[in-house]
Amino acid sequence: VQLEESGGGLVQPGGSLRLSCAASGFTFDDYAMHWVRQPPGKGLQWVSLITWDGGDTNYAESVSGRFTISRDNSKNSLFLQMNSLRPEDSAIYYCAKEDDSIIADWGQGTLVTVSS
Amino acid sequence: QLVLTQSPSASASLGASVRLTCTLTSGHINFGVAWHQQQPGKGPRFLMKINSDGSHSKGDGIPDRFSGSTSGTERYLTISSLQSDDEADYYCQTWGTGIRVFGGGTKLTVL
Repeated sequence: VQLEESGGGLVQPGGSLRLSCAASGFTFDDYAMHWVRQPPGKGLQWVSLITWDGGDTNYAESVSGRFTISRDNSKNSLFLQMNSLRPEDSAIYYCAKEDDSIIADWGQGTLVTVSS
Repeated sequence: QLVLTQSPSASASLGASVRLTCTLTSGHINFGVAWHQQQPGKGPRFLMKINSDGSHSKGDGIPDRFSGSTSGTERYLTISSLQSDDEADYYCQTWGTGIRVFGGGTKLTVL
């Protein structure tokens, strides 16, 4: 299993960013997928999940209404559109694969910094 | 509300054993958890899943030194024959309908 995130960077408060995750080594459309983040020096925070077919999505309260998770099964790719970004959204964002309700595989992460 | 509680820190000597605890809120006694390890400067790695009945399944390549158990609302990760690269942050994680929850993590120091 390989999960490779991209799209992180420096963005001003109120700005937008789109993260991508390229998946390989498994049948992508068999699995639900997640985004999990880790602010600098802090613990892991679950952000969002999407079912195998994209038919259902869920979000942490802190990002609901601002972030949108999506996937393209034809391209084995997962996305996170982040709008109205705040300084507290600064974190390493990890793409993760679910198996039987748990997170079973992780990417290496991409850093998002929200600062003026 | 589904909450996982972990002690912020733990320590044990090289070659010894240590048991890390993850406590579920009382209304969630039948929930299982997963344990994840995060070594300094690295991304997390899945270690194992522990069900409420104590049965557990490990991730690929996780050595036998890592084991899991259960008592009431507590879910344990035991590491035996501690090695220097076991020094890491350890997170437990559980699931509800449409949400996933992480504990605050335990920083393990190998003395």
